[in-house]
Amino acid sequence: QKEVEQNSGPLSVPEGAIASLNCTYSDRGSQSFFWYRQYSGKSPELIMSIYSNGDKEDGRFTAQLNKASQYVSLLIRDSQPSDSATYLCAVTNFNKFYFGSGTKLNVKP
Amino acid sequence: EPEVTQTPSHQVTQMGQEVILRCVPISNHLYFYWYRQILGQKVEFLVSFYNNEISEKSEIFDDQFSVERPDGSNFTLKIRSTKLEDSAMYFCASSDRAEGYGYTFGSGTRLTVV
Repeated sequence: QKEVEQNSGPLSVPEGAIASLNCTYSDRGSQSFFWYRQYSGKSPELIMSIYSNGDKEDGRFTAQLNKASQYVSLLIRDSQPSDSATYLCAVTNFNKFYFGSGTKLNVKP
Repeated sequence: EPEVTQTPSHQVTQMGQEVILRCVPISNHLYFYWYRQILGQKVEFLVSFYNNEISEKSEIFDDQFSVERPDGSNFTLKIRSTKLEDSAMYFCASSDRAEGYGYTFGSGTRLTVV
């Protein structure tokens, strides 16, 4: 059983702070890693993708991948109330995604 | 920006009835997928479709489910005899490459089985 594990939260951070979201996965053969944001009742929206070990930055978002530890993280700098959502970690192995159950982030004004 | 379009946005059906959920993938995409998300639970893979055939399916995708690309634009998910536990949000996705690159989700169809 291929698993993607996330802390369900909620993770509460004040506006302007750094939010740190974590994800572990069980399948060492996983090849691509994604972070999605999902607002309640809406479809997942891609925020970041990362394919190799290290950090990848895009605006206020930084994804970190450590394949040896089977660990992916997402940092959100200068968090805004509009960042309040559920963040889904997704891992691909060939032709399908495995999603974590998501971490709910609350950014308090 | 190109979108994956799903219709209807909400469908209510009686238990035992057949439903067809419709999706129009992005026009130059070659890989098509269906996922579902039961309220409060994780997004679950159902099936992937490439070159007019199923390339992979999950244990959820049993004989009650089928997919079809009846023409060059639509991609459908049929549930033959709906059960209460089929109530969920169903997401279509498409991609222009394998391995999740360029993956785009539709806005979803909320299926309610009563």
